[in-house]
Amino acid sequence: ETGVTQTPRHLVMGMTNKKSLKCEQHLGHNAMYWYKQSAKKPLELMFVYNFKEQTENNSVPSRFSPECPNSSHLFLHLHTLQPEDSALYLCASSQAVLANTEAFFGQGTRLTVV
Amino acid sequence: GQQVMQIPQYQHVQEGEDFTTYCNSSTTLSNIQWYKQRPGGHPVFLIQLVKSGEVKKQKRLTFQFGEAKKNSSLHITATQTTDVGTYFCAGIDNYGQNFVFGPGTRLSVLP
Repeated sequence: ETGVTQTPRHLVMGMTNKKSLKCEQHLGHNAMYWYKQSAKKPLELMFVYNFKEQTENNSVPSRFSPECPNSSHLFLHLHTLQPEDSALYLCASSQAVLANTEAFFGQGTRLTVV
Repeated sequence: GQQVMQIPQYQHVQEGEDFTTYCNSSTTLSNIQWYKQRPGGHPVFLIQLVKSGEVKKQKRLTFQFGEAKKNSSLHITATQTTDVGTYFCAGIDNYGQNFVFGPGTRLSVLP
């Protein structure tokens, strides 16, 4: 148990569906991240929130929409995804951006788009 | 932008053999971190190196940060089956705000 919980663990969705991924951290951290992990590709940083403010959006398509209502919760809203969006989506948290502290990862949501 | 590379991509060793993975950055790094991801699992933090030439040990694992702070290595002595997984380095340079992950080295240990 890392203190970062992601739900659901597995998700299968059609290209016309709308779904949301949820991440919750109990570590008192102020920075939260969404990463995409595909086969044969490095971990791709998607979004960064620091003290609830989005500080980075790495050219992610608009069909991915993040939401950070407070420092403990992070959502990734999904709509009209493509099959190539199938991947493991990892949430992570750290003390704060630029704090150069370790990142704690959740167990991920394995997403399959059909 | 900053790029982080790792070699080898895959490594198969016999149990008891040593293993080394190398991490290289296109820019001088401020810090470097190492993570391990077991098959089916999530990345777990192992260590952070900050100083030029720094060497840190964790039991059979030895981590090194290069003098120029552009490369790093992870060496495992006498591998065990529990060492199986993918080892990622993640570096941050003086201009970046977030760590950039390398592609990882996948280690297989044959019993």
